[in-house]
Order: sequence, then C-alpha cells, then structure tokens
Amino acid sequence: QQPVQSPQAVILREGEDAVINCSSSKALYSVHWYRQKHGEAPVFLMILLKGGEQKGHEKISASFNEKKQQSSLYLTASQLSYSGTYFCGNRPDDKLIFGTGTRLQVFP
Amino acid sequence: SAVISQKPSRDICQRGTSLTIQCQVDSQVTMMFWYRQQPGQSLTLIATANQGSEATYESGFVIDKFPISRPNLTFSTLTVSNMSPEDSSIYLCSVATGYEKLFFGSGTQLSVL
Repeated sequence: QQPVQSPQAVILREGEDAVINCSSSKALYSVHWYRQKHGEAPVFLMILLKGGEQKGHEKISASFNEKKQQSSLYLTASQLSYSGTYFCGNRPDDKLIFGTGTRLQVFP
Repeated sequence: SAVISQKPSRDICQRGTSLTIQCQVDSQVTMMFWYRQQPGQSLTLIATANQGSEATYESGFVIDKFPISRPNLTFSTLTVSNMSPEDSSIYLCSVATGYEKLFFGSGTQLSVL
C-alpha cells in the first residue's frame, strides 16, 4: 500500500521544470508532499485534502486526482535549493505512509 | 508547530546490545510516530505511539524488538533490542498536531557492528 513515485531520479539544470508523480493502488485520502535533503529530516511542502485540489508553494505546486488515485508535484524554474529527495505520502488515518521517493538533483 | 529534540543523534553499537532513542517535544501532542529510514530508501513506519495506550506496530515490526514507551504527551522512547547489522538505519520520531503536517526530529543514525 506504499504509494509509488515516478521517476525514481531526475537531473535538471537550473531553470528547468520537472514533474514528479505519485500513484497508489489503494485510495488516496489526503496527499502530503515532503522534501528531504541529505542528512536532514523531511520538511513539509504541502497537503492536498480532496480530489481536484491544486496548491502552490512558490514555484512548486501540486495536483490531486482522487479518481485516478494519483498526485503530481510540479517544480518550475528549478533552483539549486530544490535538490533533495521528494516523498509523497498517503494518510488514510492517523499514520502517514510515505511513497517510494524521487531523488532530484539540480545543477548550475 | 512543534519542536522535537531527539537523542542520541548517532551511535555505534555492538551486535546483541540495545539502544534507547529519546524524543522530547516542546508541546503536548497526541499522535507520535517512529519511522526507520535505511540508506537511500524511503521512510518506513515502525509504530504509532499514543499516550495512554499500547503502541500500534506496523507489519514486520514487533514489540519485543522495538519496545516503545509513551509516558506523557511530550515524551517517547524507542528501544532497538538485540541489535544486528541489519538494524543499521536512521530512526526518526515524528509528531502530528492535527491532520495536517508532521514534524520530525533530526533523527538517530545507528550503526551496528
């Protein structure tokens, strides 16, 4: 029941865009997105609580397709600070189940 | 929000021994979680520790191996018992103040020789 993310890894130049997908074989109740830099704890980016919802956070936004049990994270005009591993998460009850992760590297 | 202090930050242990990880929160929280993150992998939930009740363990994790205490709303411990090299991981405590975001401790990097 762990959400599956794609791609597993992305390499970008500064200013390029990326899309990270999160798919679940089970229902997605609320979708969380976190970013984790090497050696640090995950940091919350955003949460989508219902199907059809879209949210933005600076140049990072996300969408949630409840029927397809999918969510996507959009990173536009990437910056060096965007490098890290991105995790989606599904929270069917109190606990949060993290996705498989997508490693993003942004180079100058 | 919540600020979490997790100790120790890292340790190197001998196989067969036990290590207790402490998690102190600066405010009272109902929901506390323990995760394990193996190198290069995602975070795997070990158990949910709510005050006043027994911890709820996820599939593949048992109380004898990972006993948890939650004596009050600001503190919890996770013990990794009878350690083997396969237990080498980062262990993170996390709290939720509602159904929004989770806050994480800085993690405990455990190496078992």
